Amino acid sequence: GAVVSQHPSWVICKSGTSVKIECRSLDFQATTMFWYRQFPKQSLMLMATSNEGSKATYEQGVEKDKFLINHASLTLSTLTVTSAHPEDSSFYICSARREGTTEAFFGQGTRLTVV
Amino acid sequence: DAKTTQPPSMDCAEGRAANLPCNHSTISGNEYVYWYRQIHSQGPQYIIHGLKNNETNEMASLIITEDRKSSTLILPHATLRDTAVYYCIVRNKAAGNKLTFGGGTRVLVKP
Repeated sequence: GAVVSQHPSWVICKSGTSVKIECRSLDFQATTMFWYRQFPKQSLMLMATSNEGSKATYEQGVEKDKFLINHASLTLSTLTVTSAHPEDSSFYICSARREGTTEAFFGQGTRLTVV
Repeated sequence: DAKTTQPPSMDCAEGRAANLPCNHSTISGNEYVYWYRQIHSQGPQYIIHGLKNNETNEMASLIITEDRKSSTLILPHATLRDTAVYYCIVRNKAAGNKLTFGGGTRVLVKP
């Protein structure tokens, strides 16, 4: 199966700082990557869809200036949480769609805690 | 994408088959049924998918009713490591590929 890796697996940051999360497709090229957020005991909520070389498409209610997404190559997308606040503490998960297919594979997730 | 309905939780005994139901009464003809599971604090893992025929792989079997309004995921011999939240999702393969997750079923496999 295809491997998607997120880094870091967990991060603690202070309020007001920015945090960058990386999502890499290790053994395939991904033209499309998706970013999800999951609060405790809740389901995954799609935040945005990023396509390599173009601007991300954000879901309704997700602030694009707060959650900056960059998909500069076919194997890497980054999510930057800017000016993080405690309410941004969550489990962030990416998935990547293998080029030429319709299937998406998930990373292991990044647990962000803002203190 | 069509909405799905799953029981919020279920228990099953280790070594026995686990049958997980999913209702998708508004599914349209070009929508597939996908199953994923999420073990605690991990990303979702793909299990299986199908359109109208029953499917089987090394992890599970998927039984889809003839009218396609419901399906059942079968874990043939549940182990403790199968404890997870199982998500049933219906989606159009060609439509953007994004997956919309519902509440899922929290499955607890007991010794």
